[in-house]
Amino acid sequence: GENVEQHPSTLSVQEGDSAVIKCTYSDSASNYFPWYKQELGKRPQLIIDIRSNVGEKKDQRIAVTLNKTAKHFSLHITETQPEDSAVYFCAASIGNYQLIWGAGTKLIIKP
Amino acid sequence: DVKVTQSSRYLVKRTGEKVFLECVQDMDHENMFWYRQDPGLGLRLIYFSYDVKMKEKGDIPEGYSVSREKKERFSLILESASTNQTSMYLCASSLAETWFFGQGTRLTVV
Repeated sequence: GENVEQHPSTLSVQEGDSAVIKCTYSDSASNYFPWYKQELGKRPQLIIDIRSNVGEKKDQRIAVTLNKTAKHFSLHITETQPEDSAVYFCAASIGNYQLIWGAGTKLIIKP
Repeated sequence: DVKVTQSSRYLVKRTGEKVFLECVQDMDHENMFWYRQDPGLGLRLIYFSYDVKMKEKGDIPEGYSVSREKKERFSLILESASTNQTSMYLCASSLAETWFFGQGTRLTVV
């Protein structure tokens, strides 16, 4: 069946450095790829998304890139700050109303 | 402006009890989902519903059932709670690509 693989499961970076989280999806029909951030004890919230007709999207320190040929997409966070510490989930659309989720990446920002 | 509300943040239940987890959304979304979240396993889909009285099994439906009598409410039922159902349960609702999550219910079965 369809799946999304997400790596790494844990990522520890020095404050101020960049962080990159990668996801690979299996369904070639997927056309929508959101990223969610879940802070400790809180609900997941959308931080950025990208559609299949776009290769890259940027929002301040956050960017997402998509390679449809290779079926992978990545989240890039630059100039990391303590408030970036959280679990990040990628997802890929399947069918008309479902998302398949990655297993999550715990991002730790070291002071 | 809370959009998806789960009835409890924390629950402790005994093995064998019937457990109801309630989820209500105020956005008139047609699609609602129940996920289970465990460390290292991400979000695993238990059941989803795309309309009132409609339900579909997700990836891990065993031991669970659901009810959707009204559009705004989607209930997850553990027919006979077991210790391996101790977990964080997340409800979500969506309309097309717009998704919102509830705050989660941490269920402990003892």
